[in-house]
This record gives sequence, C-alpha cells and structure tokens, in this order.
Amino acid sequence: DAKTTQPPSMDCAEGRAANLPCNHSTISGNEYVYWYRQIHSQGPQYIIHGLKNNETNEMASLIITEDRKSSTLILPHATLRDTAVYYCIVRAPAGNNRKLIWGLGTSLAVNP
Amino acid sequence: KAGVTQTPRYLIKTRGQQVTLSCSPISGHRSVSWYQQTPGQGLQFLFEYFSETQRNKGNFPGRFSGRQFSNSRSEMNVSTLELGDSALYLCASSLRGDADTQYFGPGTRLTVL
Repeated sequence: DAKTTQPPSMDCAEGRAANLPCNHSTISGNEYVYWYRQIHSQGPQYIIHGLKNNETNEMASLIITEDRKSSTLILPHATLRDTAVYYCIVRAPAGNNRKLIWGLGTSLAVNP
Repeated sequence: KAGVTQTPRYLIKTRGQQVTLSCSPISGHRSVSWYQQTPGQGLQFLFEYFSETQRNKGNFPGRFSGRQFSNSRSEMNVSTLELGDSALYLCASSLRGDADTQYFGPGTRLTVL
C-alpha cells in the first residue's frame, strides 16, 4: 500500500470548517483513500473513503485531486468533540504482501 | 449490530511471560487485522486473517503470532514478553478484507513490567 504524508498538527476554531490535507503521491490506480480518527487512545473510527470522486457523508467531505496524489478531509462545522488524531491511509484490494501502512496522522485541536 | 469486541481490555504481565488477546469481529465479517500502537508511533500492522488463513504479515518477530477460527474470531499471542511490547493492541474487522471498510475494536492495553 502507498504511504501517506500529513501535517503533524492543526488548530481550528469551533464552528469553523477544518480542512485536513493528505499527500499520497505514490497511490496506485486501484487504491482507495480512507480517513479515520482516533480519540484519546480509543479504537480508530471510520470517517469516509473514496477512489476518484469527491465523497460526502454525515460526518465529513472528502476531496480528491484529479491526479489522485492528494486529498483533503473537510469537517464543515468543527466541534470540540472533533478534537482527535486524524489518519489518512490508502488501501489496496486484497492480496498477499499488503502491508496496510498507517502514518502518524494529524492531531487536530478544535478550540472554543 | 454489535461492534468489534476485544478481551481483555487491560492486561499487566511481566517480562518473559506470554499473553493471548482475543477479538470478536462484527457478525458476518470474515477478515480480521491486528495492529500495535505505541506512544509516538502510528498503527503498526501485525497480521491479517481471512477465512482462517493468514493473508498478510507485518514486520514483527516470530514471538507475535495469531490465528483465526471458523467463526472468524481471532486470537493473537505474544510469547516471551519484552518491555517494548507494552502497547495498545487493536483489532479491526471487515467483510472481505480487500479495500472495504475496517471497523476497529476498543483495543487491549498491555503493560509489560
């Protein structure tokens, strides 16, 4: 699986949009971009995923660039409960030797 | 639908002992993956099981092993524990284990003294 690069930390004001970037310049054509978040050493929580098109659900929006080398997770109206570490990973279809690489993520602090 | 469950939630062992952790996936999920997370580290992939077969393995020593049963429940075992094995061990399940969504359990916090 391709490796991802994220800024180590970001701040956001409560009620404002949080835009979390992710670089995945070595992504392959069949790899999906997934976003998870982890709150205070709980198990990571799934947020959203996409392949080529932009995606939106009740939690967030995912914007993937046309060349698929980067993406942005958007939390439209951040709340204090969105303070967490956000992980961007790429995930290939099943196969041997798939390593499922997770980076260090972005620690998002939502401030009142 | 019940989520992924892991037992025990907390465990304290001493160096040299062995430990077995258990994971029950979401009903109907056939793939289980295990991860180790230590402070300052991202999730480190241990292994992935699908239909009782280990399909992928991370770069961990042979002291770390696992298995999956016919009901998709999985166990991981760590033998000859070292202080550096202290970590949060996370289990994730998915339907097929390909690019489908993984759902994580709460983790088992292992402390090695």
